[in-house]
Formats: sequence, structure tokens, C-alpha cells
Amino acid sequence: EIVMTQSPATLSVSPGERATLSCRASQSVFTNLAWFLQKPGQAPRLLIYGASTRATGVPARFSGSGSGTEFTLTISSLQSEDFAIYYCQQYDNWPLTFGQGTRLEIK
Amino acid sequence: EVQLVESGGVVVQPGGSLRLSCAASGFTFNDYTMHWVRQTPQKGLKWVSIISWDGDTTSYADSVKGRFIISRDNTKNSLFLEMKSLKTEDTALYFCAKEATVHTYGYHWFDYWGQGTLVTVSS
Repeated sequence: EIVMTQSPATLSVSPGERATLSCRASQSVFTNLAWFLQKPGQAPRLLIYGASTRATGVPARFSGSGSGTEFTLTISSLQSEDFAIYYCQQYDNWPLTFGQGTRLEIK
Repeated sequence: EVQLVESGGVVVQPGGSLRLSCAASGFTFNDYTMHWVRQTPQKGLKWVSIISWDGDTTSYADSVKGRFIISRDNTKNSLFLEMKSLKTEDTALYFCAKEATVHTYGYHWFDYWGQGTLVTVSS
């Protein structure tokens, strides 16, 4: 199965600053990659699919890039509601697999 | 508004059985493939099972194959996961998730998830 590795495990950033999260696949997933965030007790929320396409209603401060094995999620100016756990997920190959998550916390 | 609401999670003994349900609303349920995904603090998010929009095609993770059965009732907009021979390692928060595109089977992202139902397998 494809192993998805996210880094860093925890990222401390001040509100208003930029956050850059990374996701690496153990083999190419082309652009078949999604990002989503999860807050405690809430349903995971889709942010990005196709590596770079924002889902409906997702603010423009969220952007995704990359292809193959290296992917990045950038949040340009952090808002209070953005502090959460972020996951990447590949849907190129079975079984579908997820990264272990990056916790984005307030600095 | 799309809503997915899971239920059925309880504490059950090893070797026991359980049936999870997911009630869907806000979209044409019988047009979309659905999934079950589970989450634990130790292992993170793990895909469990998939069922096509018409219920004719299913697939399972190796860890649950032969013990879990996914099904759906399109007349009641409901998804199910029948779990048998439960093991302690099946303890997890179980989510149902909707595939994003009409009449696709896998190879697509999830656009909506439920909030999950907690299954605890313990003696």
C-alpha cells in the first residue's frame, strides 16, 4: 500500500502568518491527492482535491500544490478557525491511505 | 445541506457483533458510492470498505475482510456496516463518507464525512 508521510507532526504559527504543510507519498499518486482538516468532535472537512483544486466554499487563503510524490498545503494568512489537524489522502491506488496528520497550533 | 449521521457504536466484547448505520440526507443518495473509514489515536485514519451507488459492488480492507459486510438501503437513504468476530483492534471511531462524483467507484475523493460513531471492543 502507498504510505503517506506528513511533516511536520506539529506546526506552531501565529495568526496572520503563513503555514506550509507537507505530504509525501511512497510512490507516485499523480495528482490524486486530497487535503482535509479535522477539529475535535467534528466531521473532517474537505479542503483540496486533485492536489490543487479548492473544494466548494473553501477560502482562497488555502492552496495546494504538487504532483507525483511531493505535495504542499499552504495557508496564506492564518485565521483562528484554521487551527486544527490537517490530513492528506491519496485516492490513486487501493487501499486508499491517509497521512498521520499535522497539528496546526497557535504560537 | 448534505448530512451524514452515524449511529450504532457501543461497547462490545471481543468476538461480538455490531451493526453501524449512517443516515444520509441533502443529496441523491442512490447516485453516490459510499465508504466507511475508521480512526484511532494510534493508527490514525484507515479506510475500511466501499459500496457502489447501486449496492452491487463492494470491497474491504484486508484487516476486516470476511468479518465486516457493507450494505445500503437506497429506499431509506441509509448505509450500514455489519461487524462480526470483533477484535480489540477494531476499536475506533467509525466514519461514513460520501464519494464526490456521481456514479464513480473509488479513485475519487470524499466530499462529505459524518462525525463518527465510537466502537469499543473490550472485555
